[in-house]
Amino acid sequence: DSGVTQTPKHLITATGQRVTLRCSPRSGDLSVYWYQQSLDQGLQFLIQYYNGEERAKGNILERFSAQQFPDLHSELNLSSLELGDSALYFCASSVDGGLFGSGANVLTFGAGSRLTVL
Amino acid sequence: AQKITQTQPGMFVQEKEAVTLDCTYDTSDPSYGLFWYKQPSSGEMIFLIYQGSYDQQNATEGRYSLNFQKARKSANLVISASQLGDSAMYFCAMRDFDDMRFGAGTRLTVKP
Repeated sequence: DSGVTQTPKHLITATGQRVTLRCSPRSGDLSVYWYQQSLDQGLQFLIQYYNGEERAKGNILERFSAQQFPDLHSELNLSSLELGDSALYFCASSVDGGLFGSGANVLTFGAGSRLTVL
Repeated sequence: AQKITQTQPGMFVQEKEAVTLDCTYDTSDPSYGLFWYKQPSSGEMIFLIYQGSYDQQNATEGRYSLNFQKARKSANLVISASQLGDSAMYFCAMRDFDDMRFGAGTRLTVKP
């Protein structure tokens, strides 16, 4: 157990629907990151939050949004789902000061949420 | 432009032998970190080893070592004495000021 908790583990839904993925970071970690892993695109960085504030944004679609709450858990909202959104969504956390360049702060990953859009 | 490149989609190695997984990166930031993660078939991402851009020595963690060649911008992972349980996807990642990005991965298969 990595200490990063993601729910749900599996989710099957239909095109056009909306889902929410939840992540609880490791105790003491202030940063939460979301990554999407699909078969044809590898691991894609979506967004990072540090202590409730958005710190960095990657290839996140406008249909997707995220937030980090005062208790540091985070939610990734995916709306108007398309077949191509089927993927494994990872949350990771780190203790860092919020800057990627702060080096040795290892990202600890959750087990992932596998989303299937039919 | 790709920040992280892993040119080996798949690799095979005989059990008990050593194997090198290649990774090259690109950044203009002087301060960055390089990471390797392992993803077994169960799907979780497991941290293996870290190398900082200012580290003088190559990082080692048990059977894992990172061959860091800064001028060539390469950060190859060396696994010594391969075991059957090492069969997995291996991802190289680089963290600079902007973000942390992953390579496409190398699937390593250890043969008995």
